[in-house]
Amino acid sequence: LAKTTQPISMDSYEGQEVNITCSHNNIATNDYITWYQQFPSQGPRFIIQGYKTKVTNEVASLFIPADRKSSTLSLPRVSLSDTAVYYCLVGGRRTGGFKTIFGAGTRLFVKA
Amino acid sequence: NAGVTQTPKFQVLKTGQSMTLQCAQDMNHNSMYWYRQDPGMGLRLIYYSASEGTTDKGEVPNGYNVSRLNKREFSLRLESAAPSQTSVYFCASSDHLAGGPDTQYFGPGTRLTVL
Repeated sequence: LAKTTQPISMDSYEGQEVNITCSHNNIATNDYITWYQQFPSQGPRFIIQGYKTKVTNEVASLFIPADRKSSTLSLPRVSLSDTAVYYCLVGGRRTGGFKTIFGAGTRLFVKA
Repeated sequence: NAGVTQTPKFQVLKTGQSMTLQCAQDMNHNSMYWYRQDPGMGLRLIYYSASEGTTDKGEVPNGYNVSRLNKREFSLRLESAAPSQTSVYFCASSDHLAGGPDTQYFGPGTRLTVL
């Protein structure tokens, strides 16, 4: 499974756009890129997922360059409630099922 | 539709005691997972079950056993608890499609302390 590298922490202010980049140099052909958000004392929550180019939903956008060796999660106009840990995962269907590896994640602090 | 539920929410054990953590999902998912999360760390996969009747080891399976009781339920057992197993345990389920992506849905977690 591809190892991912993310910044340990980031700070931002309310109303700003936040971009968190994840490196995954060894991504396999059938791997997808998935981002999760985790608040303290809660389980991770799915944010967005993509394979290539750009994906957008009501919460975030995901940018994936053509070589797919990195991806960027973009959170538009963050608020205090976006303070959380964000995990980037890379994985795909393997024989016997779907196996995932979570990294340490990026701790985002949004200030007023 | 409760999603993924876990019991108990909190548990304190003494070294050497055993216990079973329960997990159930009502989304008709095929795959289920058990993770542990230590303070300030990411999640580490203990065991997973790709489908009913199958289980496989993850990153950190030592000291644990699992049972996929049916499609809905996936339990995690600690036979002889050790202080190193003090952690928050998360159960998850997913509906991955053949050849497609996987999206996991997580339960609220069980906070386990082993004294």
